[in-house]
Amino acid sequence: EVQLVESGGGLVQPGGSLRLSCAASGLTFSTYWMHWVRQAPGKGLVWVSRINSDGSSTNYADSVKGRFTISRDNAKNTLYLQMNSLRAEDTAVYYCARVPKTTLFDLWGRGTLVTVSS
Amino acid sequence: QSALTQPASVSGSPGQSITISCTGTSSDVGGYNHVSWFQQHPGKAPKLMIYDVTNRPSEISNRFSGSKSGNTASLTISGLQAEDEADYYCSSYTTSGTWVFGGGTKLTVL
Repeated sequence: EVQLVESGGGLVQPGGSLRLSCAASGLTFSTYWMHWVRQAPGKGLVWVSRINSDGSSTNYADSVKGRFTISRDNAKNTLYLQMNSLRAEDTAVYYCARVPKTTLFDLWGRGTLVTVSS
Repeated sequence: QSALTQPASVSGSPGQSITISCTGTSSDVGGYNHVSWFQQHPGKAPKLMIYDVTNRPSEISNRFSGSKSGNTASLTISGLQAEDEADYYCSSYTTSGTWVFGGGTKLTVL
C-alpha cells in the first residue's frame, strides 16, 4: 500500500525542540519532492516547507525560516522536520505530502499533532 | 506570503452548481498556471481535487472543474451531492519559490 505516516508529535514547552518524521512506503521515495503543511486547530492549511528529491534544495515559509529544517534520508524512505525555538503559534497538525509535480500534492499522511504549551 | 483570499462559506442545494473563488496576486495565482484545490472533511487529511488550474486526478469526479482568470482561480462543483459538504482550499506556487494556501471555504449542502 502506498502511504505516508507521520510521527514525532507531542507536547513541548515554548522554546523547545521537536523532530517530526514521515515514513514512506509503497513508493519510490527518492524520486519525489516532499512538503510539510500544517493546520492549527480549527484553522486553515498553511504551507511550511519543501525539499527536492535528493535533498539538495529546500524552501521555507517566512514564519518558520531559521527555526525549522527539512531534511530526508532516501535510504530510510523518511522525511524529517526539525523544529527549534517552538512558539505557541506553531501548535498544529503537521502533514507531509508527496508532490510529483509543482501543484500535484497527490498523497498525504494522516498528520501528527504538535502542541506548544507550558 | 499572505494567504490567498477565499469566501468563508458557500452553500447550495443538491443538484445545483456552486463556484468557489480564490484571489491572489500576480506573484502567485496570476503568475503561473500552478493552482490546486483540496477537499478536507472534518478530522481527515486534505484530498487533491484539481491541480495546475484545470487538471483533475483520474479518481476525481468530472463534477469538479477548475479555471483561472487573471489573479483569481475558481473551483466549480456541479450536481452537488451531500458528500461534497466539506472545507475547500486553494493553493498556488509563488514567484518566491514557495507555496501559499487560501484561508478555506466551508461548503454546506442544504
